[in-house]
Amino acid sequence: AQSVTQPDIHITVSEGASLELRCNYSYGATPYLFWYVQSPGQGLQLLLKYFSGDTLVQGIKGFEAEFKRSQSSFNLRKPSVHWSDAAEYFCAVGGGGGGNKLTFGTGTQLKVEL
Amino acid sequence: DAGVTQSPTHLIKTRGQQVTLRCSPISGHKSVSWYQQVLGQGPQFIFQYYEKEERGRGNFPDRFSARQFPNYSSELNVNALLLGDSALYLCASSLGYAGNGEQYFGPGTRLTVT
Repeated sequence: AQSVTQPDIHITVSEGASLELRCNYSYGATPYLFWYVQSPGQGLQLLLKYFSGDTLVQGIKGFEAEFKRSQSSFNLRKPSVHWSDAAEYFCAVGGGGGGNKLTFGTGTQLKVEL
Repeated sequence: DAGVTQSPTHLIKTRGQQVTLRCSPISGHKSVSWYQQVLGQGPQFIFQYYEKEERGRGNFPDRFSARQFPNYSSELNVNALLLGDSALYLCASSLGYAGNGEQYFGPGTRLTVT
């Protein structure tokens, strides 16, 4: 069965500092990997996705993520965080059993200090 | 273009009652998926419907059911509500059925069971 682990429940960074959110997945084949962001009271917005090819993927809002098969990881990064990036971030894996079912991690709550 | 819409926004029900949640996908999208997000957790997959047929079901009891209409909108029904059904219910739409299809999430329906 596919699963996702986000080891950090809460992360606090200063505005302008770099950010890395960790994500580890378990999946039997080549996974489809996603990062979503959720602001309070909102639905989920897709930041970026990896299906195949270049292991470094660029997303919206200046985010990027790197797929590392050997480490079963798909960490999200941003070189300089803005106060508006404060939100909850979810890593998800898809593609298992056909269809587009997504399995999400428990999320990382990002707080940005001014 | 309008995104995924869900109604109602908020709902309060009593234990044992039944509830129906509605979702309208993005125009042209034929797949709708439903997710349950309990406070402090990541979304959990409930159902996927594609071309009006159920194509995937998560680990939820038979109290949960859904259907998709000819216009691709969808309803999620939950019978015999329990306190534990209190959650944000998210609907996601995508063009097709495949796992590498991008899913667009609606703002969700917040269900409170008292």
